[in-house]
Amino acid sequence: ELKVEQNPLFLSMQEGKNYTIYCNYSTTSDRLYWYRQDPGKSLESLFVLLSNGAVKQEGRLMASLDTKARLSTLHITAAVHDLSATYFCAVDSGAGGTSYGKLTFGQGTILTVHP
Amino acid sequence: GAGVSQTPSNKVTEKGKYVELRCDPISGHTALYWYRQSLGQGPEFLIYFQGTGAADDSGLPNDRFFAVRPEGSVSTLKIQRTERGDSAVYLCASSLIARAGAAEQYFGPGTRLTVT
Repeated sequence: ELKVEQNPLFLSMQEGKNYTIYCNYSTTSDRLYWYRQDPGKSLESLFVLLSNGAVKQEGRLMASLDTKARLSTLHITAAVHDLSATYFCAVDSGAGGTSYGKLTFGQGTILTVHP
Repeated sequence: GAGVSQTPSNKVTEKGKYVELRCDPISGHTALYWYRQSLGQGPEFLIYFQGTGAADDSGLPNDRFFAVRPEGSVSTLKIQRTERGDSAVYLCASSLIARAGAAEQYFGPGTRLTVT
């Protein structure tokens, strides 16, 4: 059974600081997704990582995937208040170049950015 | 264009009652997924459809849960004899293709189900 673990689960940051959220998963996969969720809202897709060594950047967020280590990271640079939200990684059970579509989510990381 | 829509947005029902939750996917998306999210948790997979057929229903918790997608577009999640433990936000997502390429899933706003 695929397990996905994120850490930390809670992250309180000062504006302007950098930090990294880690996502570990237990079985082989080469499809990993990062989502953002604001309170009471649905999930917004941030990044799709499709291969070992993939790196994607959008604004102050950068995501990477190491399939050999079964690890993805979401790096936050110079945090601002608007980044406060819950961040989920999700791993696709498929492997070998095809996407199965069944996502297993981590527990989520609640990020709070304060002045 | 329009995103994934779900109705109702909120549903309160009494224990033992039957409920139906509806999902309207993005037009042209062939794959449709149902997830359940409990408070403070990540979404948990329930079932996914490729076209009209349920390709994987391994996440349905028991036989009180059933989902259909008769014409390959709108889907309905049906819960019989609801229990308080069924209370959660039920999320629907759709994607262009499953089983090939990057099946990025786009999520709807969810239906918050409360069983009293």
